[in-house]
Amino acid sequence: QEQLVQSGAEVKKPGASVKVSCEASGYRFVNYDINWVRQATGQGLEWLGTMNPNTGNTRYAAKFQGRVTMSRDTSRSIAYLELSSLKSEDTAVYFCAKVGDGSSPLSYLYYLDLWGQGSLVSVSS
Amino acid sequence: QSVLTQPPSASGAPGQRVTISCSGSSSNIGTKTVHWYQRLPGTAPKLLIYNDNQRPSGVPDRFSGSKSGTSASLAISGLQSDVEGDYYCAAWDASLNGLVFGGGTKLTVL
Repeated sequence: QEQLVQSGAEVKKPGASVKVSCEASGYRFVNYDINWVRQATGQGLEWLGTMNPNTGNTRYAAKFQGRVTMSRDTSRSIAYLELSSLKSEDTAVYFCAKVGDGSSPLSYLYYLDLWGQGSLVSVSS
Repeated sequence: QSVLTQPPSASGAPGQRVTISCSGSSSNIGTKTVHWYQRLPGTAPKLLIYNDNQRPSGVPDRFSGSKSGTSASLAISGLQSDVEGDYYCAAWDASLNGLVFGGGTKLTVL
């Protein structure tokens, strides 16, 4: 059974960094891009970026360029999201999600078929 | 503001059919496929529709998707209280080179 299991809640001070993990099981980790999406309270879903676990290549949303780093440990099938220079506006639930079959930014098809349970990141002084 | 535009709320009586719209542009919905996600209270988002109108296995056929030009719709028939939650449309945007979401629609079963 395919599954993404994320790390637990984090509380950080403004200016600090946070690293969230996402462990994949039940499928071949390196075959499907991992995306990161967040949702602040009362707000909609917001895409942070995507990573190819096979090559390590990343594509980040312009808003987060310079502050976000996506990485992976292929030996353990774990993807990581690191966000630096945290602000109170970064308080949100962060989700990892796997792309579905056939998804590619170069094609007409790109969707997220499996999501982690979410990791709450709270930023407060 | 979200790149894709959805109504903030929708509602219907039990058993009725409701549709949720999603409006975009030629760089996203006009040239890429649309997918829809359901987020029920306290749960992670779940894929409902992909490739404009395809249902993943396990999603009941009371959920259906359609697209015309730069707009898409999600229809939910036979409303029951278990579908109350937030619904989001999404598509890859070729100009922004990223995944874009609608602002979400809160569905209430009256």
